[in-house]
Amino acid sequence: NAGVTQTPKFRVLKTGQSMTLLCAQDMNHEYMYWYRQDPGMGLRLIHYSVGEGTTAKGEVPDGYNVSRLKKQNFLLGLESAAPSQTSVYFCASADRLYEQYFGPGTRLTVT
Amino acid sequence: AQKITQTQPGMFVQEKEAVTLDCTYDTSDPSYGLFWYKQPSSGEMIFLIYQGSYDQQNATEGRYSLNFQKARKSANLVISASQLGDSAMYFCAMREGRGSSGSARQLTFGSGTQLTVLP
Repeated sequence: NAGVTQTPKFRVLKTGQSMTLLCAQDMNHEYMYWYRQDPGMGLRLIHYSVGEGTTAKGEVPDGYNVSRLKKQNFLLGLESAAPSQTSVYFCASADRLYEQYFGPGTRLTVT
Repeated sequence: AQKITQTQPGMFVQEKEAVTLDCTYDTSDPSYGLFWYKQPSSGEMIFLIYQGSYDQQNATEGRYSLNFQKARKSANLVISASQLGDSAMYFCAMREGRGSSGSARQLTFGSGTQLTVLP
């Protein structure tokens, strides 16, 4: 089992560019999440999904969109990147028990 | 109001000693879960321990134990016999609700405590 994987691991964007972050899990989990972590802070929830074809907003959704077309994948899109979106992005998945499994993170810099 | 509060931005402990990392929480939901995660300098999030609000006993996992005081709304992490490899950022997190159908089970995180273990 690979667990939760994230692609890419690092990315540098210019202001106004777009990109998509891919999260994949092979544990057949229903729930998937995107968080961002800014320096010296805890993780904040951007968007989440409770099953294939569903998405919902979290605490800090502005500037991001998500899609869950397949159960194993959860995509996070930035349509027009801004320097305020410079952060480390974590994807996580969970089953009907309690633990969330996190991916290794994607470090995004917007210049 | 903050849902999860970690008041210690940084802590130091001598190797082989025990250390307690503080966490207080705020919720009106009678059903909730409390989590601790470790984030080493490499960046990954490592699950350490879980405590459910209805659990009668404090959770333990190896050298980690959770001092759960429900009336005081605190869920402190105790690490016994600290090791150099314990140096990391530690996050307390909470999930509200029982997690039944339709519940998103998302976590709310505190701001973390940076633990440094001294040789």
